Amino acid sequence: TQLLEQSPQFLSIQEGENLTVYCNSSSVFSSLQWYRQEPGEGPVLLVTVVTGGEVKKLKRLTFQFGDARKDSSLHITAAQPGDTGLYLCAGVSGAGSYQLTFGKGTKLSVIP
Amino acid sequence: DTEVTQTPKHLVMGMTNKKSLKCEQHMGHRAMYWYKQKAKKPPELMFVYSYEKLSINESVPSRFSPECPNSSLLNLHLHALQPEDSALYLCASSFKRYNEQFFGPGTRLTVL
Repeated sequence: TQLLEQSPQFLSIQEGENLTVYCNSSSVFSSLQWYRQEPGEGPVLLVTVVTGGEVKKLKRLTFQFGDARKDSSLHITAAQPGDTGLYLCAGVSGAGSYQLTFGKGTKLSVIP
Repeated sequence: DTEVTQTPKHLVMGMTNKKSLKCEQHMGHRAMYWYKQKAKKPPELMFVYSYEKLSINESVPSRFSPECPNSSLLNLHLHALQPEDSALYLCASSFKRYNEQFFGPGTRLTVL
């Protein structure tokens, strides 16, 4: 069974601070996705990373896929209240697989 | 169009009712999914349809019955549900290559 360990589980920071969320596994993933979810809404896809060592930037968000494709991180610079939400990482185990392995999520609160 | 739509947004039903959840996408994705999400947990996969054929059923009770009438539509028929089935039901679709899944906004189901 593949597992994705996501940390921290909860994070409460002041507006303007930086933060990093981690997603780790002992298994290799062919791709990894990051989602943000608001309460009562569906997850919104932020990014997909597919190549070991890949770094993608989305405004103040930076996503990195580990060289061995077993881990990933999400770094937010100068967090804003609008960044508040549940961040989920999800990995695809192999090409052609339909199943996502989800981490348990990081609940981020950015205080104005 | 990168949207997955779901209706209804909210549904309250008794244990003897029959109801259906609907999902639609027009992105040309050939894989569609039903997930169940309980509070403070990541989504749990229920069913996967690939090219309108059921390819994965994650041992879901028969009171949940999926249907894929065509490549754009996915239904989930509900009958004789239990209060513990109350949850957010999410539909998703994906293009096969990296299995990037796009989620709908969800249906909040309450079973009385």
